[in-house]
Amino acid sequence: GQQVMQIPQYQHVQEGEDFTTYCNSSTTLSNIQWYKQRPGGHPVFLIQLVKSGEVKKQKRLTFQFGEAKKNSSLHITATQTTDVGTYFCAGRGAGNNRKLIWGLGTSLAVNP
Amino acid sequence: AAGVIQSPRHLIKEKRETATLKCYPIPRHDTVYWYQQGPGQDPQFLISFYEKMQSDKGSIPDRFSAQQFSDYHSELNMSSLELGDSALYFCASSPRTSGGHTDTQYFGPGTRLTVL
Repeated sequence: GQQVMQIPQYQHVQEGEDFTTYCNSSTTLSNIQWYKQRPGGHPVFLIQLVKSGEVKKQKRLTFQFGEAKKNSSLHITATQTTDVGTYFCAGRGAGNNRKLIWGLGTSLAVNP
Repeated sequence: AAGVIQSPRHLIKEKRETATLKCYPIPRHDTVYWYQQGPGQDPQFLISFYEKMQSDKGSIPDRFSAQQFSDYHSELNMSSLELGDSALYFCASSPRTSGGHTDTQYFGPGTRLTVL
């Protein structure tokens, strides 16, 4: 069945360093969503990418959707302590398979 | 802005007891999803409802059932509780987009269920 692999599982950075998490799907996606979950909190929607090769920015966050619509990345420039949390990607299948499959998440820790 | 409301926020039950979790979606959202999240894990999709009908089914045990009511709120009923059912249970809601597909999910704060 469809799988979404997310790496790395954990990332520990110094404040000011950059951070990237990657998602790879075993099948072509119709879209991919990114969520952030703070410790003790609930997942919060960040963005949705739909088009092949799409790049979207939110302040220090840059989201990319691969040309084949099978992979995606989230890059944070100059991390801050407020970026701490777990970042999940969730890919929605294409065609008849419309299930939303979640990656296992990347937990980001930022040292001040 | 109104958010998804879940109740109760915390629930402690004994093994073999039953539990009912409630979810009130954001107004005008007609799709509700239920997720189970264990410590350090990703949200596991249980079940979803669209316009009061079950729209998709995930890894929901047979001991669990859910429904969506005419006011769009949803309830997750859990019976014969087991220790392994201890987890955070999230409800999320989605609006219908202009294309008829729901995508963005807005999560509630969750219900933390502890089974002793």
